[in-house]
Amino acid sequence: AQKITQTQPGMFVQEKEAVTLDCTYDTSDPSYGLFWYKQPSSGEMIFLIYQGSYDQQNATEGRYSLNFQKARKSANLVISASQLGDSAMYFCAMRESSGYSTLTFGKGTMLLVSP
Amino acid sequence: DGGITQSPKYLFRKEGQNVTLSCEQNLNHDAMYWYRQDPGQGLRLIYYSQIVNDFQKGDIAEGYSVSREKKESFPLTVTSAQKNPTAFYLCASSIGNTYTGELFFGEGSRLTVL
Repeated sequence: AQKITQTQPGMFVQEKEAVTLDCTYDTSDPSYGLFWYKQPSSGEMIFLIYQGSYDQQNATEGRYSLNFQKARKSANLVISASQLGDSAMYFCAMRESSGYSTLTFGKGTMLLVSP
Repeated sequence: DGGITQSPKYLFRKEGQNVTLSCEQNLNHDAMYWYRQDPGQGLRLIYYSQIVNDFQKGDIAEGYSVSREKKESFPLTVTSAQKNPTAFYLCASSIGNTYTGELFFGEGSRLTVL
């Protein structure tokens, strides 16, 4: 079974609007971390935001916020005031505390921001 | 500047040849990883290493080999046994074996088999 599911292959948003990228996860581990990465066309992976399973508040980093709903096992990324430079692939990922704690990725969502 | 350096950025290889991708980090991180990315897909784990002289297979290790003789270096060899080696390869590192730390990535190596 997939551990990370991103159901939106592609999303369109107009500049200056907000957009939500969906992510659901599956784990039986009580301790885990959720991450979002951005991958522009150049290929590098840019870390955006982190949410720990025990964090009481939703994480925020500038224009990025994470809508964490633990009971629903969802960790949606919200980008406010979209910019043209936000056009990229976005990946949701999870690290569990069990085992060697590697990072498991979803298949990604392609975001296109139009003027 | 601290970071992860991957080389070469682009590599072409004929079928039946082995090729080695370099990954060097100066972040003093204990853990290092290799991921493979195919077009339109997420990243899949090939190998990872939590400490020098030790490494473990990831989800798609067949046809690949690694070594970890130095803390800062984690080269990946794509052998002729890998059936479909054309892909984008990303190396990463992290402080250690903790679920709270993010992975830092290199810029990737794009391998094309002709």
